[in-house]
Amino acid sequence: QVQLVESGGGMVQPGGSLRLSCAASGFPFDFYGMHWVRQVPGKGLEWVAVIWSDGIKTTSADSVKGRFTVSRDNSKKTVFLQMNSLRVEDTAVYYCARDRLSEFQVTQAAFDVWGQGTMVTVSA
Amino acid sequence: QSALSQPPSASGSPGQSVTISCTGTSNDVGGYRFISWYQQHPGKAPKLIIFEVTKRPSGVPDRFSGSKSGSTASLTVSGLQAEDEADYYCTSYAGGDIWVFGGGTKLTVL
Repeated sequence: QVQLVESGGGMVQPGGSLRLSCAASGFPFDFYGMHWVRQVPGKGLEWVAVIWSDGIKTTSADSVKGRFTVSRDNSKKTVFLQMNSLRVEDTAVYYCARDRLSEFQVTQAAFDVWGQGTMVTVSA
Repeated sequence: QSALSQPPSASGSPGQSVTISCTGTSNDVGGYRFISWYQQHPGKAPKLIIFEVTKRPSGVPDRFSGSKSGSTASLTVSGLQAEDEADYYCTSYAGGDIWVFGGGTKLTVL
């Protein structure tokens, strides 16, 4: 079935780095854009970044720009989020999500499949 | 990249209808039809329930409907059921491959 599984979360000190992975299955991964969305426990959702199917075009939110990098390996059906210079305020559950495509393979700019999330804690 | 504005809470009795608003600007909600809504139950990942303002993914009950007027989008849940109690988030495309979420609304079924 269509599935996304995140991994790589954990606890890290401020200024440290982590690399999250999101493994996809059950759909033609290389057709789809992929997003990262985060959620501070008990708080709302925040869009973090997107990488399009070509793996070249990426965009990230101002709050993480210059610190987080999104990439993908279509041969492994996996998307990554490299997080550097982590701050306490980056503590959150990180979800990967698939960009919804129309029947004509045009983005519908919505997140139609989500992983279960992976927790990142930044603390001294 | 300011968050969209949603009421923090909403409520209704079983069978009633409730509408949740999502207010942005001409740079996001008012400028695009790429408005989507997500339902999130405690401890679970969000679930897409409305996309492109009014469209429902397969399997989402037609009790859920969306609309937009100017820079305000709305989600209406008709015929409220106990399982509709959850957090609801709107999001809008904001141009330049940027998305912005609303702060979320906690829906309580009385």
